[in-house]
Amino acid sequence: QQNVQQSPESLIVPEGARTSLNCTFSDSASQYFWWYRQHSGKAPKALMSIFSNGEKEEGRFTIHLNKASLHFSLHIRDSQPSDSALYLCAVAYQGGRALIFGTGTTVSVSP
Amino acid sequence: EAAVTQSPRNKVTVTGGNVTLSCRQTNSHNYMYWYRQDTGHGLRLIHYSYGAGNLQIGDVPDGYKATRTTQEDFFLLLELASPSQTSLYFCASSDAPGGGYAEQFFGPGTRLTVL
Repeated sequence: QQNVQQSPESLIVPEGARTSLNCTFSDSASQYFWWYRQHSGKAPKALMSIFSNGEKEEGRFTIHLNKASLHFSLHIRDSQPSDSALYLCAVAYQGGRALIFGTGTTVSVSP
Repeated sequence: EAAVTQSPRNKVTVTGGNVTLSCRQTNSHNYMYWYRQDTGHGLRLIHYSYGAGNLQIGDVPDGYKATRTTQEDFFLLLELASPSQTSLYFCASSDAPGGGYAEQFFGPGTRLTVL
């Protein structure tokens, strides 16, 4: 059974700062890596995904994936108060039945 | 934008009661999922379905039944509700198997309280 862990559990960052979130997984056969964001009282919504080793940037958000280290991360530059949310990483593999989610990191951006 | 709706949005029941949570998606997605969300546990998969009449067991199925009556509708049934089932329930859909390479779209959630 895939084990997906996130760190830290929570963090507080000043507006404009860079934020880094970590996710580790246990199954080296994993192929699909996602970050979902959930604002308070709302549904989770996909933020970004990556399917091969390396880096992917979309606006202020960057994902790094290192399959050999069983690790991927999300980096947010120029953090905004609207980035305050619960961030969930998720992992799947081809033929797998569903995404396996981590326990989440709560980010609070202080103005 | 994919649309997934859930009803009711809030539900309070007593121990031993019967509860049905409903989910509808209008995006012709084949795959639908039921999750529960609890603090410290993230999202945990209860049941999922590949299409009408199909049901697959998830990671935390005990105490739950599910039924997929049409491509659009997926129901979660708690026949003897227990306080441990107090949680926030989300339904999701996607057009790819296993939620791998395609985004999962989530409904707004149902908050269930079992007294």
